[in-house]
Amino acid sequence: KQEVTQIPAALSVPEGENLVLNCSFTDSAIYNLQWFRQDPGKGLTSLLLIQSSQREQTSGRLNASLDKSSGRSTLYIAASQPGDSATYLCAVLYNTDKLIFGTGTRLQVFP
Amino acid sequence: DAGVIQSPRHEVTEMGQEVTLRCKPISGHNSLFWYRQTMMRGLELLIYFNNNVPIDDSGMPEDRFSAKMPNASFSTLKIQPSEPRDSAVYFCASSLALGGGRDTQYFGPGTRLTVL
Repeated sequence: KQEVTQIPAALSVPEGENLVLNCSFTDSAIYNLQWFRQDPGKGLTSLLLIQSSQREQTSGRLNASLDKSSGRSTLYIAASQPGDSATYLCAVLYNTDKLIFGTGTRLQVFP
Repeated sequence: DAGVIQSPRHEVTEMGQEVTLRCKPISGHNSLFWYRQTMMRGLELLIYFNNNVPIDDSGMPEDRFSAKMPNASFSTLKIQPSEPRDSAVYFCASSLALGGGRDTQYFGPGTRLTVL
């Protein structure tokens, strides 16, 4: 069964810290992996998309890495800010064309 | 662009009633997805369309659920009859891709459905 797990489920840190969010998947035959952000009561916003042939993607203070062989991805957030507070979801696409979502990491960055 | 538009944003109904959720994808996108999000099960894909054709409806929970996409700019998700366990947030997303979720998906704000 294709499953996606995210650890930790929740994280609370002071402003300015560098963070690592983890995502693991059981089936390494992925097509791509995406990281999304979800604010309370809102939809999802795509942050980064990594194709299976890529090792990492960067956007501003965000860096996502992909290790297919170990079934892992990490989202690195540099110099965290209160505005980064949200739930972060990773999702894996297999050749079934179906995105499998993790359960998310709820992040709170306090001033 | 206005992004993916969903209506209504909130819906409260009584068990047994018909519920219709609406979605307008981003203009030019050729794939449309319906998801359901609950605390217990997280985000689940219900059905997706490519070029207005349903490709995979294996996530549709029961025959009470149906979805249509009569044209490239409109889709509906209907629940008839509704039950309390259908209470969830329903998201619509669209992408520009040859098929499926192979490109970035853009999500609408969701419809929060409560069935009493």
